[in-house]
Amino acid sequence: EVQLLESGGGLVRPGGSLRLSCAASGFTFSTYAMSWVRQAPGKGLEWVSSISGGGDYTFYADSVKGRFTISRDNSKNTVYLQINSLRVEDRAIYYCAKDSRDCGGDCPAENFQHWGQGTPVIVSS
Amino acid sequence: SYVLTQAPSVSVAPGQTARITCAGDNIGSKTVHWYQQRPGQAPVLVIYYDSDRPSGIPARFSASNSGNTATLTISRVEAGDEADYCCQVWDTSGEHVVFGGGTKLTVL
Repeated sequence: EVQLLESGGGLVRPGGSLRLSCAASGFTFSTYAMSWVRQAPGKGLEWVSSISGGGDYTFYADSVKGRFTISRDNSKNTVYLQINSLRVEDRAIYYCAKDSRDCGGDCPAENFQHWGQGTPVIVSS
Repeated sequence: SYVLTQAPSVSVAPGQTARITCAGDNIGSKTVHWYQQRPGQAPVLVIYYDSDRPSGIPARFSASNSGNTATLTISRVEAGDEADYCCQVWDTSGEHVVFGGGTKLTVL
């Protein structure tokens, strides 16, 4: 059974930083693209970032490019999201998600078949 | 950047058919995925690659994609289908994932 468990969320002041983690199990982690998707209170889903299975390719939403960094450690079956220069508008539930395709590690995320339960990020002074 | 447009809400009586649309420029040339999200829960993938159902998704859920509109169809709607439904594509030109704004399905 695929399991994704996010951690690292919390309350942070504007301009601060956080590192989100997503521990995965139940599948061959290194051959699947992984992503972060967020949802602000009362709003729809917003894609944040994706990383290929091998970690060579990363993709970012324009709203976070230059402030957020996605990475993964395939030896630990974990994907990370380093969030810097946090803004009030970054407040959201951050979900970790796994692509449906086993493409060997080089493809971008096309969809999100499995999701974690999310970790909340609250940005407030 | 690529934009997906969904109606904010759709209402349907139990047992009837709900159709939720997702509009985008030549969306028929892209691959569309659909998600269901109940309040307080993580999203669930209900349709991928335009019209395929992941394991565990009832056959009442179907979808199509052509021209400028993709459509999610839920037949014999049940109270438990009440949720937000969101479409999504991978925009190859911008190398971005794009979500529609979501449609709230209300079962009357």
